[in-house]
Order: sequence, then structure tokens, then C-alpha cells
Amino acid sequence: NAGVTQTPKFQVLKTGQSMTLQCAQDMNHNSMYWYRQDPGMGLRLIYYSASEGTTDKGEVPNGYNVSRLNKREFSLRLESAAPSQTSVYFCASSEAFTVGANVLTFGAGSRLTVL
Amino acid sequence: AQTVTQSQPEMSVQEAETVTLSCTYDTSESDYYLFWYKQPPSRQMILVIRQEAYKQQNATENRFSVNFQKAAKSFSLKISDSQLGDAAMYFCAYRSGGSNYKLTFGKGTLLTVNP
Repeated sequence: NAGVTQTPKFQVLKTGQSMTLQCAQDMNHNSMYWYRQDPGMGLRLIYYSASEGTTDKGEVPNGYNVSRLNKREFSLRLESAAPSQTSVYFCASSEAFTVGANVLTFGAGSRLTVL
Repeated sequence: AQTVTQSQPEMSVQEAETVTLSCTYDTSESDYYLFWYKQPPSRQMILVIRQEAYKQQNATENRFSVNFQKAAKSFSLKISDSQLGDAAMYFCAYRSGGSNYKLTFGKGTLLTVNP
């Protein structure tokens, strides 16, 4: 009953440090996404991967990189963390992004604090 | 660009009563999908209900139903017989019916259920 698993759940970084958020899904979904959630802002798309081997920028990609390692895994990397990247990050997946209503399944979120 | 507006930052309801959460959206498209997601204190985003714009009939899922007014670009969520477990942040979201992957979220409504 795993669905979408994100690690770590919590992380504190200093400005300039790097880190990678890991995401894995076990539903054989084709598409995966990274969102960030900030107070009063809703969720905003950082990057997405429509299918294995492809990645594209979303609304707020600056300061991030992603890797679609295989069909199951989609990682988000902060190369040089900034306080503005303090947020809660959500990974999500869907069967496909061009078919039907594209219902997203979300992970539990990762709270990142950059000091 | 599409926008989603939730005009009620917070709402409260007595247990067993009915509450309606508002959502309006702005789009020039005729083919699209609308969603309500729930985010409880655990932070995980959970799909509550979805509506295809081409369907005139309002979607219903047990105690949850929507009032979809396409001409008015309104998509409200009604929760009947409210339960303590309904307490959460609720997000309205819009997705284009075309190949555009993007799911646009509103800023959310925090629902409190009073015993």
C-alpha cells in the first residue's frame, strides 16, 4: 500500500549546501511531478517528467534540477540551497498526463528548511 | 493563463452539518477538468472529487458533491453530514483538457469541523 514515497520527510540545510529529495512510486505510473507548497500560495509545479527519459520545467524551476532515474524514481536536487527554497515539497505521479483527467497521487511531503 | 481562486481562506462547520467551499476559475478553454483535493494535517494530498467540463451532471462521491456552473466558471464543493475527519485544507485545481500537463491550484480553504 505504498503509492508514492518521498525521502527525507524533514531536512534542515544551511545556505549554499546541496541536497537531493528522492521520490519513488510503485503504481507503474508514467508521469511524475515535483511541487512546492508555500503558505498562502497553493502548490506550484517545479518540474515534471511526462515519461521515463524526459523532464521539463514547470512554473518555478529556478534553483532546481531533476533526474528521472527510471520509471519508478524521480529525484529533485538543490545544488546551492537558498532561504527562498524553504518550503514543503511534494512528489506526485499519474498514469499519464495526456490521457483522461490525469488524477495525481501525492507523496506525504518533505519539509525543507534552509537557514 | 488559467487562474483558480478560493475566496474563503477559512471555514468552519458543526459536525453533522453541511458546508460549501467556493472555487472560481478563469479560462478561455472549453475542454478542461476540475478537482478538489484534501490535505489533512498529515500533509498528504488526497483526491476528493473530479469533474469533466464536458459533463453537465455534477459529480458526487458519497458525502461530497460539486456544483459545477460552467458559464459562471464556478466549482463549489459541498460536504454533507460533516465529520471530524473532514477537517483539512481543501484545494481546488484546474487542468486543461489538451496536452498541457499543468495542474493549477487555488490557495486553499482551511476547514474546521467543530464537535
